[in-house]
Amino acid sequence: EVQLAESGGGLVQPGRSLRLSCAASGFTSGFTFSRFSMNWVRQAPGKGLEWVSYISSGSADVYYADSVRGRFTISRDNAQNSLYLQMNSLRVDDTAVYYCARASHDIGDKFYMDVWGKGTAVTVSS
Amino acid sequence: DIQMTQSPSSLSASVGDRVTITCRASQDIDNYLAWFQQKAGEAPKSLIYAAFALNSGVPSKFGGSRSGTDFTLTITNLQPEDFATYYCQQYKSYPYTFGQGTKLEMK
Repeated sequence: EVQLAESGGGLVQPGRSLRLSCAASGFTSGFTFSRFSMNWVRQAPGKGLEWVSYISSGSADVYYADSVRGRFTISRDNAQNSLYLQMNSLRVDDTAVYYCARASHDIGDKFYMDVWGKGTAVTVSS
Repeated sequence: DIQMTQSPSSLSASVGDRVTITCRASQDIDNYLAWFQQKAGEAPKSLIYAAFALNSGVPSKFGGSRSGTDFTLTITNLQPEDFATYYCQQYKSYPYTFGQGTKLEMK
């Protein structure tokens, strides 16, 4: 069974930094982390889902939501089967549960999110 | 950015009912539309991708359809475990965008 496990969340003051990690497992089920693109999605308390960032399997392509561009950096280490989100200059409105989600290939260059981790909570407050 | 307008925002139904949730895209997204189910305190679960295709392990009581830029999620024979919040999401272009969500509550 494919599993994703986020970590690194916590309470941080505005303006500070935090690094989230997402560890992938389930390789006996045929999941090869290095072959999949990945995403980060967040959900503020009591709110809906907001896509944050995408990274392709080999890290060549990355995309960001306008709300985090220039402050957050997505990266991955395929040798470690891990995905990361470096969050700098954190703001109160970055408070959310952050999920990593696997991107499976649909048609052409389109990817849908099919497997999600349980999330890690980030609280930005003074 | 592509806007996804989901309706209704909440829906009250009974066990055994059939319900429909609609999502309208602000522009053509072909079939690049996914549906997710999220129960309170849990991560989202993928139900449908490519507008119609059921994800592995998802029962056939869930169904997706499309008419132009309007997409529909239909759930038949509602069971207690189906009461949750449902989201649509387009993956035609970045930034990916979600609908506002539909909270399905038991009547």
